[in-house]
Amino acid sequence: QVQLVQSGAEVKKPGSSVKVSCKASGGSFGSKAVSWVRQAPGQGLEWMGGILLIIGTTNYAQKFKGRVTITTDESTTTAYMELSSLRYEDTAVYYCAKGGVMVRGGNYYYYYMDLWGNGTTVTVSS
Amino acid sequence: DIQMTQSPSSLSASVGDRVTITCRASQNINNYLNWYQQKPGKAPKLLIYAASSLQTGVPSRFGGSGSGTDFTLTISSLQPEDFTTYYCQQSYSTPLTFGGGTKVEIK
Repeated sequence: QVQLVQSGAEVKKPGSSVKVSCKASGGSFGSKAVSWVRQAPGQGLEWMGGILLIIGTTNYAQKFKGRVTITTDESTTTAYMELSSLRYEDTAVYYCAKGGVMVRGGNYYYYYMDLWGNGTTVTVSS
Repeated sequence: DIQMTQSPSSLSASVGDRVTITCRASQNINNYLNWYQQKPGKAPKLLIYAASSLQTGVPSRFGGSGSGTDFTLTISSLQPEDFTTYYCQQSYSTPLTFGGGTKVEIK
């Protein structure tokens, strides 16, 4: 049974970067998609971006473009999300999620997110 | 970006009640709509995908319907473990977007 195990909590200073890992323990991500979703304290869910593993394409929400980088390492079945130029408002729990991929009109799209990591708390504080 | 609007933002109900949560998309998303349940301090859990397909292992008291722009999540008979927060999410296009959430509280 695959589980997504994320790295531990981080405390970072404004302007620095954080890199969060997400290991597929007991299996692999397969030819699926991996997304990163964050949740600020007391707030809702926000999709930051993802990677369609079947075609190796990354997609980022415009809000995070230029600051976020999502990568995977197949040899270690680990996905990574790096967020740079951290601001106080980046304080949140960051989740990785594995999901299905659908084909529509000959293109690949993210589908649902059916397996989630345990979450990593990132606190930005001076 | 496609905006997802959930209503109500919170509701009070009793064990055994039938509950309906609504999600509206800002444009036609066909049936590319998923529902998640999130308990405090935990990751979200997929309940329904493609508007009406029940995820494996999810109790049959959960049901989803709708297409186009209007969708509903129905819990036919609320159980104690169902008092928590629910989110809709569209997968029609990126960026994937979530509704603001509906908190189901005990009356």
